[in-house]
Amino acid sequence: GAVVSQHPSWVICKSGTSVKIECRSLDFQATTMFWYRQFPKQSLMLMATSNEGSKATYEQGVEKDKFLINHASLTLSTLTVTSAHPEDSSFYICSAPTSGRSYEQYFGPGTRLTVT
Amino acid sequence: DQQVKQNSPSLSVQEGRISILNCDYTNSMFDYFLWYKKYPAEGPTFLISISSIKDKNEDGRFTVFLNKSAKHLSLHIVPSQPGDSAVYFCAASVAGSYQLTFGKGTKLSVIP
Repeated sequence: GAVVSQHPSWVICKSGTSVKIECRSLDFQATTMFWYRQFPKQSLMLMATSNEGSKATYEQGVEKDKFLINHASLTLSTLTVTSAHPEDSSFYICSAPTSGRSYEQYFGPGTRLTVT
Repeated sequence: DQQVKQNSPSLSVQEGRISILNCDYTNSMFDYFLWYKKYPAEGPTFLISISSIKDKNEDGRFTVFLNKSAKHLSLHIVPSQPGDSAVYFCAASVAGSYQLTFGKGTKLSVIP
């Protein structure tokens, strides 16, 4: 089946620094990718929709200047957490649909971000 | 306001018995429902789905039931196996949209 990878799988950074997370579709092209965040014992919350060749669409309450999304190619989307703070510590997951239905959406393995 | 609710944070079931995970939703625009399975520190894996035009979908040991009038769906796993132990997320989408709205998940523990 379709595979989505994320890199890094975990990262620890100091408060005030920026961190880039990559999401790749390995055997299919994805014009759209989604970025989710999951806090412990909470649901996956959609942060933004990444669109190849155009600006990302952010969900209400998500700071677009803090969470920079770049969808540079049909197989790569990046999420950059700028000026990270401890409250940004979370599990970040990307997903990509492979067809016109949401059930064809494949998720990456996630990235655990810890900001100290 | 949570549009997809999983009111049971955890469930324990004996191996071989049936596991029933429940999910309620409030948005009547949802037309497609999915169940995902998630292990710790991994992304969710698609399990089974159902369209709003159906009331049941079966795939091996997994069956999803949809009651539109009650805005309720359930996932039945029978027989339950220890490898089924994971967090199960209910998700829903609106026609024409890739976006998924997730519930908070139910942690299933299947006891050998």
